[in-house]
Amino acid sequence: AQSVTQLGSHVSVSEGALVLLRCNYSSSVPPYLFWYVQYPNQGLQLLLKYTTGATLVKGINGFEAEFKKSETSFHLTKPSAHMSDAAEYFCAVSYQAGTALIFGKGTTLSVSS
Amino acid sequence: DTAVSQTPKYLVTQMGNDKSIKCEQNLGHDTMYWYKQDSKKFLKIMFSYNNKELIINETVPNRFSPKSPDKAHLNLHINSLELGDSAVYFCASSLEHGERRGAEETQYFGPGTRLLVL
Repeated sequence: AQSVTQLGSHVSVSEGALVLLRCNYSSSVPPYLFWYVQYPNQGLQLLLKYTTGATLVKGINGFEAEFKKSETSFHLTKPSAHMSDAAEYFCAVSYQAGTALIFGKGTTLSVSS
Repeated sequence: DTAVSQTPKYLVTQMGNDKSIKCEQNLGHDTMYWYKQDSKKFLKIMFSYNNKELIINETVPNRFSPKSPDKAHLNLHINSLELGDSAVYFCASSLEHGERRGAEETQYFGPGTRLLVL
């Protein structure tokens, strides 16, 4: 069965430091890949996605992610963390338009001043 | 001009009651979904509908019954609520259902309904 693994349930960084949130998927078929962010008591907001084409994708709020097929990874990065980035981040995959998203367990990002 | 809306946002009720959560999208999408987020924040699909037709029906108790009166609405009715039903329920929608890569696959989520069963 397809699955998504997010390494590190909790990541803490200092303001201005690099943010790296890891995501690996298990599948022989390249999926559609997504990163969503959830702020406290809110819904999920799409940060970025990979479907086809360029493997380095840029999203909102300065985030980007790179699809590496050989590593089955889609890690999320941001060069300089901001306090407002503190939230829950979810990696998700799907294999066909209109099918269910399979989510990782989420990573809580904390940013300290 | 909310894209995906849910009502109510909070729902506190007693065990054994029946309740409904409503979802509406104004994006013109064909496919709608219900996801459940548990206390550990894990998200899992419950149901999806494409053009009012049930597409996905995961292993969910029969007490949960989705209803789609039209493709812009997907409601969730829960009978005989149990303590374990306490969770956040998210509605989502996407443009279409199909195998073509390049089709719009992004799912847009509502703000969630926080259900607490006492």
